[in-house]
Amino acid sequence: AAGVIQSPRHLIKEKRETATLKCYPIPRHDTVYWYQQGPGQDPQFLISFYEKMQSDKGSIPDRFSAQQFSDYHSELNMSSLELGDSALYFCASSLYRANTEAFFGQGTRLTVV
Amino acid sequence: AQSVAQPEDQVNVAEGNPLTVKCTYSVSGNPYLFWYVQYPNRGLQFLLKYITGDNLVKGSYGFEAEFNKSQTSFHLKKPSALVSDSALYFCAVRDSPGGGADGLTFGKGTHLIIQP
Repeated sequence: AAGVIQSPRHLIKEKRETATLKCYPIPRHDTVYWYQQGPGQDPQFLISFYEKMQSDKGSIPDRFSAQQFSDYHSELNMSSLELGDSALYFCASSLYRANTEAFFGQGTRLTVV
Repeated sequence: AQSVAQPEDQVNVAEGNPLTVKCTYSVSGNPYLFWYVQYPNRGLQFLLKYITGDNLVKGSYGFEAEFNKSQTSFHLKKPSALVSDSALYFCAVRDSPGGGADGLTFGKGTHLIIQP
């Protein structure tokens, strides 16, 4: 079965650079979530989208932005990167109001040097 | 606001013995509870969920969890542990069904170590 696809899997950036992470949800899923998991930490909810509109916002820094496109894929844009942004970024998808669990991708490991 | 507590950073169990990973939660409305497992350098894998109905939920790989409303707990259990069960386990809660609202709030995770 198709799963959530994230790209790239690994990314190395320097401080103050920008990064774009991509997420392709499971087919027919209309909701996308972004989570950030720092080293040794639990995943923290950043932001979610439903039908291309922002659904909810968590602890996403102002330097980050995200959007969901007409094909339901989502991109997380990160600017002015800081060392503390180094983390595993997960995308998850689900079907809105269907009482389904969120399926997670394998994540993008971002390292800021 | 919603929160999850996993009181144990690590649980050690001998292979073949039963295991329990504890989780308690706090939500303002009805709880929707989940367990995920994470292997090193991998994404979170869904194990099981409680939405409504039977308090004993059965999931993947022989795991089950018991929802206890009075104790606000959702402990993960397995009758006989395998070495391959060794991983990081996250309990999560959401106060809404489906894919809207707040997303999932995770606990800090519990390292489960199964000793041969």
